[in-house]
Amino acid sequence: AQKITQTQPGMFVQEKEAVTLDCTYDTSDQSYGLFWYKQPSSGEMIFLIYQGSYDEQNATEGRYSLNFQKARKSANLVISASQLGDSAMYFCAMRGDLSGTYKYIFGTGTRLKVLA
Amino acid sequence: AAGVIQSPRHLIKEKRETATLKCYPIPRHDTVYWYQQGPGQDPQFLISFYEKMQSDKGSIPDRFSAQQFSDYHSELNMSSLELGDSALYFCASTLNEGLPNEKLFFGSGTQLSVL
Repeated sequence: AQKITQTQPGMFVQEKEAVTLDCTYDTSDQSYGLFWYKQPSSGEMIFLIYQGSYDEQNATEGRYSLNFQKARKSANLVISASQLGDSAMYFCAMRGDLSGTYKYIFGTGTRLKVLA
Repeated sequence: AAGVIQSPRHLIKEKRETATLKCYPIPRHDTVYWYQQGPGQDPQFLISFYEKMQSDKGSIPDRFSAQQFSDYHSELNMSSLELGDSALYFCASTLNEGLPNEKLFFGSGTQLSVL
């Protein structure tokens, strides 16, 4: 069965510092995609970054980068130079091919608080 | 650019009432997903549609039903509402080309409160 695990319910980081949010996954699919979404207190789900299982390089999007370690089945999100606006809930998600339905599953999330 | 549109944004109902949530996907997106997110919880997959046909079913109660129409918009119908149905309901859309890099685009959600 496919599963996403986020072991950090909450994290604190000082403004302007970097922070790593952990995500491990389990899948038997050979081809899959890993996503990170941000959910501010306003509730909307905002796409941040994507990593494909066959991508050789770690994905980067501005201050976001994904530390992808395929052998360890981890896809940690790194936020550099944290800003107060980064305070939000962060979800790791995976899309795999479960019987051809391409279901997306989410982890339980990590609540990040950036301190001034 | 057009995003996923959900209506209503907020909905207050009483127990045993019915509710209909609507979702308009991004133009040309052929796949719609519905998720339920309780307070402090991760989104739980309810149901999905591809090309107007149900493609997958998750933890959707029998009291709920959904469909995707010819214009690709989708509606989630909820009957005999219970207090536990209070949650944020997300619709998300994507263009399904069978590739793992197809990200979900989420609507702003419908906050349902059952009193």
